[in-house]
Amino acid sequence: EEQLVESGGGLVQPGGSLRLSCAASGFSFNTYDMHWVRQPAGKGLEWVATVDTAGDTFYPDSVKGRFTISREDARNSLYLQMNSLRAGDTAVYYCTRDLRVRGDYGLFYYYYAMDVWGQGTTVTVSS
Amino acid sequence: EIVLTQYPDTLSLSPGERVTLSCRASQSISNSDLAWYQQRPGQAPRLLIYRASSRATGIPDRFSGSGSGTDFTLTISRLEPEDFAVYYCQQYGRSPPIYTFGQGTKVEIK
Repeated sequence: EEQLVESGGGLVQPGGSLRLSCAASGFSFNTYDMHWVRQPAGKGLEWVATVDTAGDTFYPDSVKGRFTISREDARNSLYLQMNSLRAGDTAVYYCTRDLRVRGDYGLFYYYYAMDVWGQGTTVTVSS
Repeated sequence: EIVLTQYPDTLSLSPGERVTLSCRASQSISNSDLAWYQQRPGQAPRLLIYRASSRATGIPDRFSGSGSGTDFTLTISRLEPEDFAVYYCQQYGRSPPIYTFGQGTKVEIK
């Protein structure tokens, strides 16, 4: 079974740091782009970060310069280092996998959607 | 930056009814870059539709997607009890790479 399991959430004071982890299993982790998505309680989804298979990273302006996504393929693990945390960063953080569809002749096609999600880990930023 | 707006915010329907959810983009987007998700209470989102109209693995055929340009639709042909949930559309922008979600539409039991 393809699975993602997040850990590392908790309560942190404003200005503090936290590192989230995501353990992947059941698929070839090193061949997929990976993402973090967050959701404040009772609100919608917000993309937080992406790392592709080459290690290139992408962020929205809301977290750029404060958050760092990384991967360790040997450990089938994804990470999110969060610094200078603010109350507005309070949310459930999901680890997700990028969609890849196998087509004819063994070729893969990429459609920029997220097809496997973890159950999430909660981050609360409060004094 | 492209903004996705979903209509309506909430729908109150009965099991067995047909439902159409709308997602409007502030600029034209490629069909390849539009997806739909379902989120049941207390659960993580689940991918339903990618490339605007392709069903993800394991998704029942009562779910269908359509649309192009700025207007996209998710249709559920006949609501089952497990379909009462929040639905999100999502698009991918290429320069720079960015993923954007709509605000969601809640489908509730009437």
